Amino acid sequence: DAGVIQSPRHEVTEMGQEVTLRCKPISGHNSLFWYRQTMMRGLELLIYFNNNVPIDDSGMPEDRFSAKMPNASFSTLKIQPSEPRDSAVYFCASSLYGGMDIQYFGAGTRLSVL
Amino acid sequence: AQSVTQLGSHVSVSEGALVLLRCNYSSSVPPYLFWYVQYPNQGLQLLLKYTSAATLVKGINGFEAEFKKSETSFHLTKPSAHMSDAAEYFCAVRVGNEKLTFGTGTRLTIIP
Repeated sequence: DAGVIQSPRHEVTEMGQEVTLRCKPISGHNSLFWYRQTMMRGLELLIYFNNNVPIDDSGMPEDRFSAKMPNASFSTLKIQPSEPRDSAVYFCASSLYGGMDIQYFGAGTRLSVL
Repeated sequence: AQSVTQLGSHVSVSEGALVLLRCNYSSSVPPYLFWYVQYPNQGLQLLLKYTSAATLVKGINGFEAEFKKSETSFHLTKPSAHMSDAAEYFCAVRVGNEKLTFGTGTRLTIIP
């Protein structure tokens, strides 16, 4: 299996622009997680889905952030408008049985908002 | 509520020396505990997990961790450090159907 695939690996954008991060989970996994990692705040869970349905989005910082999972093989995290404080590494992870199981992480998207 | 505390954000050990990374958890019920490792520019990957079977858990790359309920600890050890062990290590806890909660991480540096 190719593992969790995230794109792009790096994104540089200007403040105010829309940013879309993409994730393809491991085939057969039914849970997907979006995390944000910064030096200041460490690793934060933003949102997670079970069977394509958002279960817990309490970690989403504000309305500028939105996440979708239209099918079992694809998810997006969108930031609109982006701000410099959104600069971070964003990870997607998937697992077989929801939060009960081992999570497999993608390589991450490094976002820089200028 | 569940939480983990990792003591020491940075740990340095000499190559060949013992590695000890500390993790204490807080939970009112028996937890599931995990150690993940993050190599530079990569995502996290599972090192080992404790799920209430044996208290001494062996993981990949020669790492192991021991669950000590009396001390609410789950420290990670490796007898002999290798240069390739340089990475950031995260302890994590989960109780029941709660989401996984990560610690703040410990960056391990290996001195040649």
